[in-house]
Amino acid sequence: DARVTQTPRDKVTEMGQEVTMRCQPILGHNTVFWYRQTMKQGLELLAYFRNRAPLDDSGMPKDRFSAEMPDATLATLKIQPSEPRDSAVYFCASGLGPGFEQFFGPGTRLTVL
Amino acid sequence: AQSVTQPDIHITVSEGASLELRCNYSYGATPYLFWYVQSPGQGLQLLLKYFSGDTLVQGIKGFEAEFKRSQSSFNLRKPSVHWSDAAEYFCAVGLNSGGGADGLTFGKGTHLIIQP
Repeated sequence: DARVTQTPRDKVTEMGQEVTMRCQPILGHNTVFWYRQTMKQGLELLAYFRNRAPLDDSGMPKDRFSAEMPDATLATLKIQPSEPRDSAVYFCASGLGPGFEQFFGPGTRLTVL
Repeated sequence: AQSVTQPDIHITVSEGASLELRCNYSYGATPYLFWYVQSPGQGLQLLLKYFSGDTLVQGIKGFEAEFKRSQSSFNLRKPSVHWSDAAEYFCAVGLNSGGGADGLTFGKGTHLIIQP
């Protein structure tokens, strides 16, 4: 049963610390997405990659967030420095491109104190 | 930019009763349309999707949705709900631009409560 995996599942950190979230997409999927879910804003697209190349990161605060795909089996989302307003659940999803279903991981719940 | 509106933040339905969750979208062309369900502390699971063709689509768990172009709507229905259907439901829109951007735009969600 192919699934998107995310680590860590929960992260509590203090303001100013660096946070790295990791995602393993489903094998064979060429598109990887990062979304953020908050009570206030709901689900927002942060960035996404196709064939490991970044296609759109307009949803991301550029000064503190960065997203990469070091290889086809790993996507990372980094926040440096973290702020309390970054507290949210961060979801990774993978798929086969436009019009195909996106499969979501279980999310990383981030709390910045 | 496209947008998705789910006008009902909360809906309470008795077990066994029928359900309809509303979704309206704003987009210049026919987008890809999705319904996802999220249980507490879980990720999102796809219920069904519409890309083209038959405007009535069947999904998992007995759900169906109807695309109405004239109303820019994609409402989700189920004839008889079960207590296990209690969850958050999200309608989402993806661009249908033949290879362009395909990140999804989500509605704010509808929280479904099932009464015994």
